[in-house]
Amino acid sequence: AQRVTQPEKLLSVFKGAPVELKCNYSYSGSPELFWYVQYSRQRLQLLLRHISRESIKGFTADLNKGETSFHLKKPFAQEEDSAMYYCALRGQGAQKLVFGQGTRLTINP
Amino acid sequence: NAGVMQNPRHLVRRRGQEARLRCSPVKGHSHVYWYRQLPEEGLKFMVYLQKENIIDESGMPKERFSAEFPKEGPSILRIQQVVRGDSAAYFCASSPPSYTEAFFGQGTRLTVV
Repeated sequence: AQRVTQPEKLLSVFKGAPVELKCNYSYSGSPELFWYVQYSRQRLQLLLRHISRESIKGFTADLNKGETSFHLKKPFAQEEDSAMYYCALRGQGAQKLVFGQGTRLTINP
Repeated sequence: NAGVMQNPRHLVRRRGQEARLRCSPVKGHSHVYWYRQLPEEGLKFMVYLQKENIIDESGMPKERFSAEFPKEGPSILRIQQVVRGDSAAYFCASSPPSYTEAFFGQGTRLTVV
């Protein structure tokens, strides 16, 4: 079964501190992993995907197949990073996304 | 370049009524997806459609729910005889055939009273 787990519903850190949002997945094969972000009153938007290996807004995420994880990291959090973050998986040959429950990140000044 | 447009943004229905949710994909996108988000949960896949075809409806409840994406016009998610448990946010997404990225609408929040 395909499953995405985000163990933290809420995460609060101070501005300037490092941030790590955890994501673990269950999939027998080679999935495609994504992080989506939803800022207050805005639509869900793609933050990054593992195949592009790029850094967006200072965030990076590395796919660890051994640990089946795709944690999202940023070395220095900014107040504008406060948002809801969703990790998602797309199976091989599939079109649909399987989402985790989301983590609400709050950056305190 | 308008994004995915969903309407209405908020919909209130009494138990037993019908709810119709509309989704206009990004211009040029031929693939549409519907997701449902129940309170305190993540988005759950419902259905994937291409023009005039339902490709994957594995996430659709067996009864009362239906979806279409006609040749002309928006995609429609229809819920008949709504019950309180249908109260949720319903999101639509679209992608081009190459699926470089799925673009999401702002969602329709359905409240059943």
